[in-house]
Amino acid sequence: QKEVEQNSGPLSVPEGAIASLNCTYSDRGSQSFFWYRQYSGKSPELIMFIYSNGDKEDGRFTAQLNKASQYVSLLIRDSQPSDSATYLCAVNINGGSQGNLIFGKGTKLSVKP
Amino acid sequence: DADVTQTPRNRITKTGKRIMLECSQTKGHDRMYWYRQDPGLGLRLIYYSFDVKDINKGEISDGYSVSRQAQAKFSLSLESAIPNQTALYFCATSIGRLTDTQYFGPGTRLTVL
Repeated sequence: QKEVEQNSGPLSVPEGAIASLNCTYSDRGSQSFFWYRQYSGKSPELIMFIYSNGDKEDGRFTAQLNKASQYVSLLIRDSQPSDSATYLCAVNINGGSQGNLIFGKGTKLSVKP
Repeated sequence: DADVTQTPRNRITKTGKRIMLECSQTKGHDRMYWYRQDPGLGLRLIYYSFDVKDINKGEISDGYSVSRQAQAKFSLSLESAIPNQTALYFCATSIGRLTDTQYFGPGTRLTVL
Protein backbone atom coordinates (compact mmCIF):
# COMPACT_ATOMS: atom_id res chain seq x y z
CA GLN A 1 0.00 0.00 0.00
CA LYS A 2 1.34 3.39 -0.99
CA GLU A 3 1.67 5.61 2.03
CA VAL A 4 2.55 9.09 3.13
CA GLU A 5 3.75 9.40 6.69
CA GLN A 6 3.88 12.44 8.93
CA ASN A 7 4.52 12.91 12.61
CA SER A 8 1.15 13.88 14.06
CA GLY A 9 2.67 16.28 16.56
CA PRO A 10 1.80 18.57 18.09
CA LEU A 11 4.96 20.41 17.18
CA SER A 12 5.35 23.43 19.39
CA VAL A 13 7.71 26.28 18.51
CA PRO A 14 8.12 29.79 19.92
CA GLU A 15 7.15 32.80 17.86
CA GLY A 16 9.97 33.82 15.52
CA ALA A 17 11.56 30.36 15.41
CA ILE A 18 11.90 28.00 12.46
CA ALA A 19 9.33 25.22 12.29
CA SER A 20 10.42 22.07 10.48
CA LEU A 21 7.78 19.65 9.23
CA ASN A 22 8.70 16.32 7.69
CA CYS A 23 7.03 13.80 5.45
CA THR A 24 8.12 10.45 4.02
CA TYR A 25 6.49 8.52 1.20
CA SER A 26 6.66 4.93 0.07
CA ASP A 27 6.29 5.12 -3.72
CA ARG A 28 9.58 5.79 -5.51
CA GLY A 29 7.65 6.69 -8.67
CA SER A 30 6.05 9.74 -7.07
CA GLN A 31 6.70 12.87 -9.07
CA SER A 32 4.98 15.79 -7.40
CA PHE A 33 4.66 16.83 -3.80
CA PHE A 34 2.40 19.31 -2.09
CA TRP A 35 2.06 21.02 1.26
CA TYR A 36 -1.34 22.16 2.44
CA ARG A 37 -2.27 24.09 5.55
CA GLN A 38 -5.55 23.37 7.30
CA TYR A 39 -7.03 25.41 10.11
CA SER A 40 -9.39 23.61 12.43
CA GLY A 41 -12.76 23.02 10.75
CA LYS A 42 -11.63 24.63 7.52
CA SER A 43 -10.59 23.26 4.14
CA PRO A 44 -6.98 22.53 3.15
CA GLU A 45 -5.29 25.38 1.33
CA LEU A 46 -2.22 24.97 -0.83
CA ILE A 47 1.02 26.42 0.50
CA MET A 48 3.38 25.17 -2.18
CA PHE A 49 4.37 22.30 -4.44
CA ILE A 50 7.73 20.89 -5.45
CA TYR A 51 8.80 18.50 -8.22
CA SER A 52 12.58 18.59 -8.30
CA ASN A 53 15.19 17.59 -5.76
CA GLY A 54 16.44 20.47 -3.69
CA ASP A 55 14.87 23.52 -2.14
CA LYS A 56 12.03 25.74 -3.27
CA GLU A 57 11.39 28.99 -1.44
CA ASP A 58 8.24 31.09 -1.29
CA GLY A 59 8.31 33.89 1.24
CA ARG A 60 8.73 32.42 4.71
CA PHE A 61 8.18 28.88 3.43
CA THR A 62 10.79 26.52 2.00
CA ALA A 63 9.99 23.07 0.66
CA GLN A 64 12.80 20.55 0.46
CA LEU A 65 12.68 17.36 -1.59
CA ASN A 66 15.02 14.39 -1.51
CA LYS A 67 13.75 11.66 -3.83
CA ALA A 68 16.60 9.27 -3.05
CA SER A 69 15.63 9.28 0.61
CA GLN A 70 11.92 9.63 -0.18
CA TYR A 71 11.25 12.56 2.03
CA VAL A 72 9.91 16.04 1.66
CA SER A 73 9.98 18.75 4.29
CA LEU A 74 8.55 22.18 4.90
CA LEU A 75 10.41 24.89 6.78
CA ILE A 76 8.56 27.90 8.12
CA ARG A 77 10.84 30.77 9.04
CA ASP A 78 9.91 33.47 11.54
CA SER A 79 6.94 31.42 12.71
CA GLN A 80 3.87 33.39 13.73
CA PRO A 81 0.91 32.40 15.92
CA SER A 82 -1.21 32.58 12.75
CA ASP A 83 0.84 29.67 11.39
CA SER A 84 -0.71 27.43 14.04
CA ALA A 85 -2.57 24.84 12.00
CA THR A 86 -2.32 21.29 10.74
CA TYR A 87 0.03 20.83 7.80
CA LEU A 88 -0.79 18.12 5.28
CA CYS A 89 1.76 16.55 3.00
CA ALA A 90 0.36 15.14 -0.26
CA VAL A 91 2.04 13.06 -2.91
CA ASN A 92 1.00 12.36 -6.48
CA ILE A 93 1.47 8.60 -6.42
CA ASN A 94 0.78 7.85 -10.05
CA GLY A 95 2.56 10.76 -11.58
CA GLY A 96 1.55 12.89 -14.49
CA SER A 97 -1.82 12.15 -15.99
CA GLN A 98 -3.39 10.27 -13.12
CA GLY A 99 -3.11 13.05 -10.64
CA ASN A 100 -4.48 11.32 -7.57
CA LEU A 101 -2.99 12.54 -4.35
CA ILE A 102 -2.30 10.53 -1.24
CA PHE A 103 -2.44 12.68 1.87
CA GLY A 104 -0.58 12.21 5.09
CA LYS A 105 -2.56 12.52 8.29
CA GLY A 106 -0.99 15.87 9.02
CA THR A 107 1.26 17.47 11.60
CA LYS A 108 -0.29 19.88 14.04
CA LEU A 109 1.85 22.97 14.55
CA SER A 110 1.46 25.29 17.51
CA VAL A 111 3.34 28.60 17.53
CA LYS A 112 3.51 30.09 21.00
CA PRO A 113 3.63 33.90 21.40
CA ASP B 1 -17.33 34.43 -5.11
CA ALA B 2 -15.62 31.20 -4.12
CA ASP B 3 -14.23 29.07 -6.94
CA VAL B 4 -15.41 25.79 -5.38
CA THR B 5 -18.67 25.76 -3.46
CA GLN B 6 -20.36 23.03 -1.48
CA THR B 7 -23.92 22.73 -0.31
CA PRO B 8 -25.10 22.25 2.33
CA ARG B 9 -22.35 23.41 4.68
CA ASN B 10 -23.81 21.57 7.62
CA ARG B 11 -26.31 18.74 7.71
CA ILE B 12 -27.77 16.59 10.43
CA THR B 13 -29.70 13.55 9.30
CA LYS B 14 -30.95 10.26 10.63
CA THR B 15 -29.83 6.72 9.99
CA GLY B 16 -31.34 5.31 6.82
CA LYS B 17 -32.02 8.64 5.13
CA ARG B 18 -30.78 9.42 1.64
CA ILE B 19 -28.69 12.52 1.43
CA MET B 20 -26.96 14.38 -1.38
CA LEU B 21 -23.98 16.69 -1.08
CA GLU B 22 -23.37 19.03 -3.99
CA CYS B 23 -20.24 20.61 -5.35
CA SER B 24 -19.95 23.32 -7.98
CA GLN B 25 -16.86 24.97 -9.41
CA THR B 26 -16.15 27.99 -11.57
CA LYS B 27 -12.46 27.19 -12.09
CA GLY B 28 -13.07 25.41 -15.39
CA HIS B 29 -11.22 22.33 -14.16
CA ASP B 30 -11.93 18.93 -15.65
CA ARG B 31 -11.15 16.86 -12.59
CA MET B 32 -13.24 16.71 -9.46
CA TYR B 33 -12.88 14.71 -6.27
CA TRP B 34 -14.78 13.83 -3.13
CA TYR B 35 -12.94 13.22 0.15
CA ARG B 36 -13.98 12.58 3.68
CA GLN B 37 -11.93 13.59 6.69
CA ASP B 38 -12.12 11.96 10.09
CA PRO B 39 -10.06 12.84 13.15
CA GLY B 40 -6.87 10.80 13.16
CA LEU B 41 -7.53 9.28 9.73
CA GLY B 42 -6.72 12.17 7.46
CA LEU B 43 -8.25 12.80 4.06
CA ARG B 44 -9.51 9.74 2.23
CA LEU B 45 -10.64 9.68 -1.38
CA ILE B 46 -14.21 8.50 -2.00
CA TYR B 47 -14.69 9.06 -5.74
CA TYR B 48 -13.04 11.02 -8.48
CA SER B 49 -13.98 12.10 -11.97
CA PHE B 50 -11.62 13.13 -14.76
CA ASP B 51 -14.45 14.33 -16.98
CA VAL B 52 -18.21 14.00 -17.28
CA LYS B 53 -17.99 10.45 -18.65
CA ASP B 54 -15.14 9.22 -16.47
CA ILE B 55 -15.97 8.37 -12.86
CA ASN B 56 -13.80 6.21 -10.66
CA LYS B 57 -13.95 4.72 -7.19
CA GLY B 58 -11.49 5.87 -4.63
CA GLU B 59 -10.21 4.25 -1.47
CA ILE B 60 -13.53 4.18 0.42
CA SER B 61 -16.43 4.19 -2.07
CA ASP B 62 -18.69 1.64 -0.31
CA GLY B 63 -21.94 3.26 0.79
CA TYR B 64 -21.50 6.23 -1.54
CA SER B 65 -22.41 7.05 -5.12
CA VAL B 66 -21.68 10.05 -7.31
CA SER B 67 -23.04 11.90 -10.30
CA ARG B 68 -21.15 14.26 -12.60
CA GLN B 69 -23.97 16.32 -14.03
CA ALA B 70 -21.72 18.72 -15.90
CA GLN B 71 -18.10 19.75 -15.99
CA ALA B 72 -18.82 22.14 -13.14
CA LYS B 73 -20.98 19.92 -10.92
CA PHE B 74 -20.19 16.76 -8.99
CA SER B 75 -22.61 15.35 -6.41
CA LEU B 76 -22.05 12.78 -3.70
CA SER B 77 -24.94 10.66 -2.44
CA LEU B 78 -25.34 8.54 0.63
CA GLU B 79 -28.15 6.15 -0.28
CA SER B 80 -28.84 5.05 3.28
CA ALA B 81 -26.83 7.06 5.77
CA ILE B 82 -25.26 5.35 8.76
CA PRO B 83 -23.61 6.91 11.85
CA ASN B 84 -20.06 6.02 10.81
CA GLN B 85 -20.50 8.27 7.79
CA THR B 86 -20.44 11.21 10.15
CA ALA B 87 -17.46 13.21 8.92
CA LEU B 88 -16.27 16.36 7.21
CA TYR B 89 -16.66 16.03 3.44
CA PHE B 90 -14.59 17.98 0.95
CA CYS B 91 -14.91 18.46 -2.76
CA ALA B 92 -11.79 19.32 -4.71
CA THR B 93 -10.90 20.18 -8.30
CA SER B 94 -7.75 20.09 -10.39
CA ILE B 95 -6.66 21.01 -13.89
CA GLY B 96 -5.34 17.55 -14.67
CA ARG B 97 -1.76 18.14 -15.77
CA LEU B 98 1.56 17.29 -14.12
CA THR B 99 1.15 20.09 -11.62
CA ASP B 100 -2.24 18.71 -10.67
CA THR B 101 -2.70 20.90 -7.64
CA GLN B 102 -6.03 20.25 -6.00
CA TYR B 103 -8.22 23.11 -4.78
CA PHE B 104 -10.70 22.40 -2.05
CA GLY B 105 -14.20 23.59 -1.35
CA PRO B 106 -15.18 24.80 2.12
CA GLY B 107 -16.47 21.42 3.24
CA THR B 108 -19.73 19.93 4.47
CA ARG B 109 -20.02 18.79 8.05
CA LEU B 110 -22.36 15.79 8.06
CA THR B 111 -23.77 14.22 11.19
CA VAL B 112 -25.75 11.01 11.00
CA LEU B 113 -27.72 10.24 14.14
